[in-house]
Amino acid sequence: GAVVSQHPSWVICKSGTSVKIECRSLDFQATTMFWYRQFPKQSLMLMATSNEGSKATYEQGVEKDKFLINHASLTLSTLTVTSAHPEDSSFYICSARATDRGLYEQYFGPGTRLTVT
Amino acid sequence: AQTVTQSQPEMSVQEAETVTLSCTYDTSESDYYLFWYKQPPSRQMILVIRQEAYKQQNATENRFSVNFQKAAKSFSLKISDSQLGDAAMYFCAYRAGTYKYIFGTGTRLKVLA
Repeated sequence: GAVVSQHPSWVICKSGTSVKIECRSLDFQATTMFWYRQFPKQSLMLMATSNEGSKATYEQGVEKDKFLINHASLTLSTLTVTSAHPEDSSFYICSARATDRGLYEQYFGPGTRLTVT
Repeated sequence: AQTVTQSQPEMSVQEAETVTLSCTYDTSESDYYLFWYKQPPSRQMILVIRQEAYKQQNATENRFSVNFQKAAKSFSLKISDSQLGDAAMYFCAYRAGTYKYIFGTGTRLKVLA
C-alpha cells in the first residue's frame, strides 16, 4: 500500500512559539502534497498545495507567512506554524498524491493535533 | 465554484441493517472523481469507495455501494449489513483536475447493537 506518516502526532506549544509538522510518504514518491486543517466536529479545509521544489499555493484566507510550507524532497513536506496562538489549535492533516506508480489517488496521513497554550 | 453538501449531520442504523448517506455536489466540470471517506475516532482518513464521473456503472466495494446520478449531481453511499465498526464520520469528497479535494461537512454514523 501507500503509507503517509506525520510527525509529531500531538504537540503542545506555548503561544508565540513556532512548531514544525512533518509529512512523509514512506513507500512512494509524492511531487504534490496537501495540507488540511480540521476543527473539532468539522470538515477538512484545504490550506495549501505543496509542490516539490517550488513554492506552495495557498488557499484564499490562509496566511502564507504564518503557515510556512516547504516541500524539499519527493517524500517530505513540512508545515511550520509560526508565532502560534491558541486559535491555531487544530488538527492538521496532510495528504500525498502518488506519482511514481501511475496511481491517481491521494493518501492521507494520520494527522497532527496541535494545542497552543 | 465547486461545492459538496451533506445534509445529514447524523444518522443511526441498527446492526445488520442498511443505511444510505446522502451527498450532492455542484460543478461545471465534466471529468471528476467522487469519494467517500471514513474517519473513525483515530481521525485517520480511510477511503471507502471511489467513483469516476465518466463511468455510468455505480461503484461497489463489498458492503459499500454508491448511487451516482450525474445529471442530478447526487452521490449517495449505501452501507449494507451494517457493523459496529462502521460507526464513524463519513465525508463525501469531490476532486477534479487540480487534484484538490473538496469535502462535505460530514455525516456521523452511529451503529446500534
